[in-house]
Amino acid sequence: GAGVSQSPRYKVAKRGQDVALRCDPISGHVSLFWYQQALGQGPEFLTYFQNEAQLDKSGLPSDRFFAERPEGSVSTLKIQRTQQEDSAVYLCASSLVSFRLAGGSLYEQYFGPGTRLTVT
Amino acid sequence: QQQVKQSPQSLIVQKGGISIINCAYENTAFDYFPWYQQFPGKGPALLIAIRPDVSEKKEGRFTISFNKSAKQFSLHIMDSQPGDSATYFCAASMSRGNEKLTFGTGTRLTIIP
Repeated sequence: GAGVSQSPRYKVAKRGQDVALRCDPISGHVSLFWYQQALGQGPEFLTYFQNEAQLDKSGLPSDRFFAERPEGSVSTLKIQRTQQEDSAVYLCASSLVSFRLAGGSLYEQYFGPGTRLTVT
Repeated sequence: QQQVKQSPQSLIVQKGGISIINCAYENTAFDYFPWYQQFPGKGPALLIAIRPDVSEKKEGRFTISFNKSAKQFSLHIMDSQPGDSATYFCAASMSRGNEKLTFGTGTRLTIIP
């Protein structure tokens, strides 16, 4: 079956440009996460959606970062006025249900291949 | 900031040997501890996970050992194979939170013939 897909896989942006990164989660998955992975580091949490509701955006590094999931499926991470420090791999993950809704069964987060953003 | 500390940063193991990667956490609210495997150009993939109500979980050649009092957990890969060469991340999350994963910094494992 289809996994989490992300597009584009690679993006080169000049400093100051706006970029939009897309995530297609596994069909029917309720929860969607965005993570940022710097070179040689572990992924770091950016934001979390349950259906269309953005329940946690505490990891977004600045107000230049914005994420949405308007219909509760596809999500877009937008970065305005990109800076060199934004260069990283942006990972999207989805899970079937949230832990609380599942009543104690924690469901696996399935990760997409990521979008490698390079800001020059 | 919640942290998960992982060691070693890199590890070289001979084929057939045992690979051991260690992690330590600080936040006692963490109650789910997965290990992820990541190949170059790919997203992380779940290997095995454990809850703090058990001290060990085994799936095939992969075993997690968990020490709740020490707030430490480790991944053991038995009979390591060249195909196991990848970067491994430990992680932790809270069931009372939004299940966001807090990752360690990763261990690059190389299995040599």
